[in-house]
Amino acid sequence: ETGVTQSPTHLIKTRGQQVTLRCSSQSGHNTVSWYQQALGQGPQFIFQYYREEENGRGNFPPRFSGLQFPNYSSELNVNALELDDSALYLCASSAWGGPAFFGQGTRLTVV
Amino acid sequence: GENVEQHPSTLSVQEGDSAVIKCTYSDSASNYFPWYKQELGKRPQLIIDIRSNVGEKKDQRIAVTLNKTAKHFSLHITETQPEDSAVYFCAALREGGYNKLIFGAGTRLAVHP
Repeated sequence: ETGVTQSPTHLIKTRGQQVTLRCSSQSGHNTVSWYQQALGQGPQFIFQYYREEENGRGNFPPRFSGLQFPNYSSELNVNALELDDSALYLCASSAWGGPAFFGQGTRLTVV
Repeated sequence: GENVEQHPSTLSVQEGDSAVIKCTYSDSASNYFPWYKQELGKRPQLIIDIRSNVGEKKDQRIAVTLNKTAKHFSLHITETQPEDSAVYFCAALREGGYNKLIFGAGTRLAVHP
C-alpha cells in the first residue's frame, strides 16, 4: 500500500452543491496531482500542485480548483456540481520527477 | 493533442499463458512510461515503468518494451495467474515539465483457471 490517503471514500452530493476532497501525500513527496476517473475509463488529469502552487492544469473548467498546504497535503474543490462530475477522484503524490503513487480515491456521486 | 491509445480493451487468457497489452503515444517528447494495475474498487497500483533511454525492462513475470521510433510500448505478462486479473492502464509523461500522466483507456485482463 502507498502512503497516500484520501477522504472521504464515498460522497453523495446534489447538483449545484460544492464539494471538497482531501489528500495526504506520501512522506517525502512534494507534488500532488488530481485525476478524475469516469466509470470504465482511464484517469484524466485535472491539475498538479508543487510547493503550494498550481503548475499544470488539464482540460477542466475553473469550477475545479485546489490547494496545497505546507505539509504537501492537498484539497480539490468542485463548485456548482453537475451530474457528469460523478466519478472516482484520485490523488497521486510524487517527488518531483519521480513515479506517481495513487490514493484509494473518493467516489463522488452527484444526484 | 496528447493521446495514448491502448489495445486490446479486453483480453481473456488461460492460466499459464502470456498476455500482451500494447500502447501508442502521440507526444514524441514523452520520455516516461508507467503501467498501472487497478483491481475492482481499488487504487491504480504502479507495477512497472520505463524511461526512454531504455528499450526493455523486466521484473519477474512482467516486462515492458519501448520502441521510441514507432512511439509504441508494450506490457508482457508471462505465466499468468488468476490474481493477475484486473484492469491495466498504460500512461505517458513528458518529464521536465509537470507530472501530467496521459492514460490509455485501459485493458480488462481476465485470467481463467
